[in-house]
Amino acid sequence: QKEVEQNSGPLSVPEGAIASLNCTYSDRGSQSFFWYRQYSGKSPELIMSIYSNGDKEDGRFTAQLNKASQYVSLLIRDSQPSDSATYLCAVEKAAGNKLTFGGGTRVLVKP
Amino acid sequence: DVKVTQSSRYLVKRTGEKVFLECVQDMDHENMFWYRQDPGLGLRLIYFSYDVKMKEKGDIPEGYSVSREKKERFSLILESASTNQTSMYLCASSSPGQGRTQYFGPGTRLLVL
Repeated sequence: QKEVEQNSGPLSVPEGAIASLNCTYSDRGSQSFFWYRQYSGKSPELIMSIYSNGDKEDGRFTAQLNKASQYVSLLIRDSQPSDSATYLCAVEKAAGNKLTFGGGTRVLVKP
Repeated sequence: DVKVTQSSRYLVKRTGEKVFLECVQDMDHENMFWYRQDPGLGLRLIYFSYDVKMKEKGDIPEGYSVSREKKERFSLILESASTNQTSMYLCASSSPGQGRTQYFGPGTRLLVL
């Protein structure tokens, strides 16, 4: 079992719809969770970070964390073609900022 | 703005060559990281450093070494490049403490022939 798992996709979403991405992790001691977006040929950039159970909203993005079930999700509302990218889930297991990344979910938003 | 720069965007080397990949950050970050990214395997941590002269092995350190002589600079060294080291190499930096954002450089796409 991989430490951090994501569906590789592609997740095809019509423009204006909600894209829902999921990530599960294996280490119950994990403390911090991050969603990065990576456009083709570019480096990852942070979208959201979440540290406690529940929802965290930032603009069109909402991160959801459930530590008991060991999953973290990302919702993208009103999806735009510019949201087409690979979304990487990253988990920090302990202090020290050492991250473990999932394989990424490719999202395609179709006009 | 945080800026992380990498010495080359593209690099072509021959098997057996010694390869240096350099990373520089301008935000006075203590933490620096080297990853490689391969299709289907995601980002994997090679080495990281929490301070000058300090280094720790990540998940896949075999075939690599690092050097951190100055706080802003973290170098990845391939002592004898092999074809299975063809990959995208990404450097990142962050400030100390839990939950800190890692900022990535633009990446170096290395091809070993």
